[in-house]
Amino acid sequence: AQKITQTQPGMFVQEKEAVTLDCTYDTSDPSYGLFWYKQPSSGEMIFLIYQGSYDQQNATEGRYSLNFQKARKSANLVISASQLGDSAMYFCAMRGHVTDKLIFGTGTRLQVFP
Amino acid sequence: DAMVIQNPRYQVTQFGKPVTLSCSQTLNHNVMYWYQQKSSQAPKLLFHYYDKDFNNEADTPDNFQSRRPNTSFCFLDIRSPGLGDAAMYLCATSREDSSYEQYFGPGTRLTVT
Repeated sequence: AQKITQTQPGMFVQEKEAVTLDCTYDTSDPSYGLFWYKQPSSGEMIFLIYQGSYDQQNATEGRYSLNFQKARKSANLVISASQLGDSAMYFCAMRGHVTDKLIFGTGTRLQVFP
Repeated sequence: DAMVIQNPRYQVTQFGKPVTLSCSQTLNHNVMYWYQQKSSQAPKLLFHYYDKDFNNEADTPDNFQSRRPNTSFCFLDIRSPGLGDAAMYLCATSREDSSYEQYFGPGTRLTVT
């Protein structure tokens, strides 16, 4: 069975600081993809970053980077230089090679303060 | 811009009155999904289509049905909405490979009175 665990229900960070959102996963699939989504209060799920299980390097997209540690089965999201607009719910998700389904974690609510 | 569109954005229905939510996409993706998301929870997959093949989640109530008449459109029908069905309903699309992200629509917030 596949499972995503996000242990931080809420996080606070000061503007311009970096923050790490934790995500661990469990799967028996040899090939899988890991995703992070941002959901602001408007409700839309916004794709942020993707990491493939066979990717040798950690994924980066602008201020977002994914700290992928395969042996520990962790895929933490690092947001550098936080902005007020980063305040939102963040979901970690996984998709196995043999399934079309995305498995979500319970989310972390990030609040950025001035 | 290619996108996923959901209509309406807000829907109010009465207890027991059937309601249909719609989703369309211009991405030409072959997989389409419907999620239910309640407040402060993760999205919960209701069902998905791989092309025309319908895949129902085991715990999706029979009250929820879906139709996909063509690649671009997918509908969620709630036959007899209960108060517990009030939620955000998210439509998403993707290609079939696990390396491709799901693209989400803006969602329809359903209120049941």
